[in-house]
Amino acid sequence: EVQLVESGGGLVKPGGSLRLSCAASGFTFSRESMSWVRQAPGKGLEWVSSISGSSSYIFHADSVKGRFTISRDNAKNSLYLQMNSLGAEDTAVYYCARKVQAPGMSHLDHWGQGTLVTVSS
Amino acid sequence: QPVLTQSSSASASLGSSVKLTCTLSSGHSTYIIAWHQQQPGKAPRYLMRLEGSGSYNKGSGVPDRFSGSSSGADRYLTISNLQSEDEADYYCETWDSKINVVFGGGTKLTVL
Repeated sequence: EVQLVESGGGLVKPGGSLRLSCAASGFTFSRESMSWVRQAPGKGLEWVSSISGSSSYIFHADSVKGRFTISRDNAKNSLYLQMNSLGAEDTAVYYCARKVQAPGMSHLDHWGQGTLVTVSS
Repeated sequence: QPVLTQSSSASASLGSSVKLTCTLSSGHSTYIIAWHQQQPGKAPRYLMRLEGSGSYNKGSGVPDRFSGSSSGADRYLTISNLQSEDEADYYCETWDSKINVVFGGGTKLTVL
C-alpha cells in the first residue's frame, strides 16, 4: 500500500524558513516522480513543485520560484520542500503526492494527509 | 498552457446521478485529465485518469458508481446512486511540459 506522510509544518514568522518532509513507502520511491501541492484556507488546489525520480528534472510554480526548493533522498525514501522568504500568501496545507510518469501520462495518483504551514507574526 | 474550467458548485439528490464537467481551454481539447475527490477536512483522493476518447482508468478502491466520459474539450465525471459521502469538492488536473501540473478551480458537490 502506498503511503505518504508529511511532516515539518508549523507556525513561522514572515520572512522565515521551513523545511517540509514526506516519508514514502509501499512503492519503489526512486522510480517515481513526486510533487508538492498546497491548499490555502478555503481555496482550491495549487501545484507547487515537482521532481523526477533521479532529480534530473525539477519544476517550480512561478509563485514560489526562487524561494522554494524541492529535493529528494532516494536512500531515505524521502521528499523535501525547503521554503524560504515565507509570506502570508504561503499559508496553506501542503500535500505530498506521487506523480505517475509514463508515455502519455503524468498525473498525481496518491496523496499524503497534508501538513499545515501558517505564516504569521 | 492548458486551463481547466469547472463550475463552482453542483447539487443532486441522494440516490440520483450527477455529471460534473471540466472544460479544457482552446487548443488543448485532446489532453488527458485526472479527477480527484476531496471530502470535507480530508486530503484529496485520486479517482481516475480520463482520455479524450472517453476511456478512463480508475484508482484502487474507487466505487463502480464513478465513471468518466468525454466530448470534445469537455471531460465528465458521473456519479451514480449518490451517497452522502460523495458530498465533496471535485478537482480536475492536467499537465504539459511547461506548466507541469494544473488544476481546475474545483466543483463543490452538495448531496441533497
